Amino acid sequence: RKEVEQDPGPFNVPEGATVAFNCTYSNSASQSFFWYRQDCRKEPKLLMSVYSSGNEDGRFTAQLNRASQYISLLIRDSKLSDSATYLCVVRSGGGYQKVTFGTGTKLQVIP
Amino acid sequence: DVKVTQSSRYLVKRTGEKVFLECVQDMDHENMFWYRQDPGLGLRLIYFSYDVKMKEKGDIPEGYSVSREKKERFSLILESASTNQTSMYLCASSFTGPEQYFGPGTRLTVT
Repeated sequence: RKEVEQDPGPFNVPEGATVAFNCTYSNSASQSFFWYRQDCRKEPKLLMSVYSSGNEDGRFTAQLNRASQYISLLIRDSKLSDSATYLCVVRSGGGYQKVTFGTGTKLQVIP
Repeated sequence: DVKVTQSSRYLVKRTGEKVFLECVQDMDHENMFWYRQDPGLGLRLIYFSYDVKMKEKGDIPEGYSVSREKKERFSLILESASTNQTSMYLCASSFTGPEQYFGPGTRLTVT
């Protein structure tokens, strides 16, 4: 089983729609969770951290479910500019800052 | 703003050549990383460094070496390039936390 798994998509949604992605992780001792965004032919950039209590940043909501070992990202009122690949990132602790990236979920927002 | 720069955006090399990829960050970050990104496989960690002259193998170090002589600079070396090393190479840096800042990437083609 992969350490971090994501549905590759693509998720094709109309503008204004709400879309959600999940990401599962295998290591129950994982400590930190993040969503990164990667635009086509660009580098990944941090979108948001995922806190145990869940957190929201504008139209984006991230949640963590430790019991089922997954994190989710919800995007409300999708914009064309949200089209990108969303990478789930998990840090499993240890003495260094190594993290594991998922392979990403591609989102295409359609006019 | 954190800035991570990579020496080349595109590089074409021949099989057997020695290849140097350079990465420089301007934020005095402790940690630096080299990844390769391939379709369907996501980002895979090659090597990382948590201090000058220190290095640790990542998940796929075979065929690569690294050098960190100065805090701001982390070099990836392909001792004898092979066609299966054709990929997008991404450098990243981080301070004490797990958030990583990426460079723009180098697309390497080995013919």
